[in-house]
Amino acid sequence: GAGVSQSPSNKVTEKGKDVELRCDPISGHTALYWYRQRLGQGLEFLIYFQGNSAPDKSGLPSDRFSAERTGESVSTLTIQRTQQEDSAVYLCASSPRSLTGNEQFFGPGTRLTVL
Amino acid sequence: SQQGEEDPQALSIQEGENATMNCSYKTSINNLQWYRQNSGRGLVHLILIRSNEREKHSGRLRVTLDTSKKSSSLLITASRAADTASYFCATGGGNKLTFGTGTQLKVEL
Repeated sequence: GAGVSQSPSNKVTEKGKDVELRCDPISGHTALYWYRQRLGQGLEFLIYFQGNSAPDKSGLPSDRFSAERTGESVSTLTIQRTQQEDSAVYLCASSPRSLTGNEQFFGPGTRLTVL
Repeated sequence: SQQGEEDPQALSIQEGENATMNCSYKTSINNLQWYRQNSGRGLVHLILIRSNEREKHSGRLRVTLDTSKKSSSLLITASRAADTASYFCATGGGNKLTFGTGTQLKVEL
């Protein structure tokens, strides 16, 4: 079956513009995660969705970042008024259950470059 | 903040040699996972070891866990050029995984 997909694969934008990143999780996976990875760094947790529960937004770095998910399907991560420090690879992952301990299945990421 | 810290940050070995990477973490865990990342893109899950396990094998991979020392190691035996990648440990707690900073492994022919 299909894995996690993300679009676009690369995005170049100008400082101050808004961007929207998309994630299609594996069908049937109830949990969805967004991470940010700066060059040469580890993964920073951004946000977690589990079914219809309120999302865990504790990792969002500022109010310029927001994310939505419709049911157990597609999710979009929006960054408003982008800054150069937002340049990174944004990774999405899904998991079949909410319990941490199940492996997470990652998409290929979106490489965001803010000029 | 990073829960896990991998050691070394970078490792270069010859094909056929074994590669050992270590991970230290700070808080109590339910389990620890290892992931591989090629070319700065998506991560691939390698293995999960639970807190009540001390060692686990999967193919050429061997993972150990020492909860008293809050550390884990990943051993790749008989390395291949295709093993060249970054390797991350991740610890679970609540709703999310916390990833370490990674070890960059280069396997040379």
